[in-house]
Amino acid sequence: DSGVTQTPKHLITATGQRVTLRCSPRSGDLSVYWYQQSLDQGLQFLIQYYNGEERAKGNILERFSAQQFPDLHSELNLSSLELGDSALYFCASSPNGMDGYTFGSGTRLTVV
Amino acid sequence: AQSVSQHNHHVILSEAASLELGCNYSYGGTVNLFWYVQYPGQHLQLLLKYFSGDPLVKGIKGFEAEFIKSKFSFNLRKPSVQWSDTAEYFCAVNSLSAGTASKLTFGTGTRLQVTL
Repeated sequence: DSGVTQTPKHLITATGQRVTLRCSPRSGDLSVYWYQQSLDQGLQFLIQYYNGEERAKGNILERFSAQQFPDLHSELNLSSLELGDSALYFCASSPNGMDGYTFGSGTRLTVV
Repeated sequence: AQSVSQHNHHVILSEAASLELGCNYSYGGTVNLFWYVQYPGQHLQLLLKYFSGDPLVKGIKGFEAEFIKSKFSFNLRKPSVQWSDTAEYFCAVNSLSAGTASKLTFGTGTRLQVTL
């Protein structure tokens, strides 16, 4: 157990639907990062939050959004899902980004 | 923008063979360098990291990596691999500016298969 908790572990949904992925960071970590891992794209950075505020944005689609709540957990919302959104979505946390990240076990999203 | 290249996409070795996985990055400033491992069906775990000082860093499970600044490289090595080292290995870099760190940028990964 890395200390970063992601739920659900698996999600199967239909095209056009909306899902929410949840991440609880390691205790004390203020930064949360979301990554998408797919076979053809590798690990792609989506977005970072630090203590509730958006800090950096990567290749995140407009259909995707995220937020970090006062208790520091984060949610990644994916809407109007397409087949190509099927991937592993990882959350990672860090105290300040300098020391590397601790990753959660990921949510495997399958869009059918 | 920083980028990371891992030249070996798939490496197959016999047990006890020596391992070297290449990693090159492009960024002219100060960087932190990392190697992560992802065992089948698991999350990424930190193997080792380099911030400054001795360019040869030792990590967990007998892995080590050498930072060569002039070559922008951070290659991962292990003298003798085991079947349990079968996994995907990711090199990652973040850059430092004004005391803050950028997001981690990952290479595309190298799949290591160790045969008995």
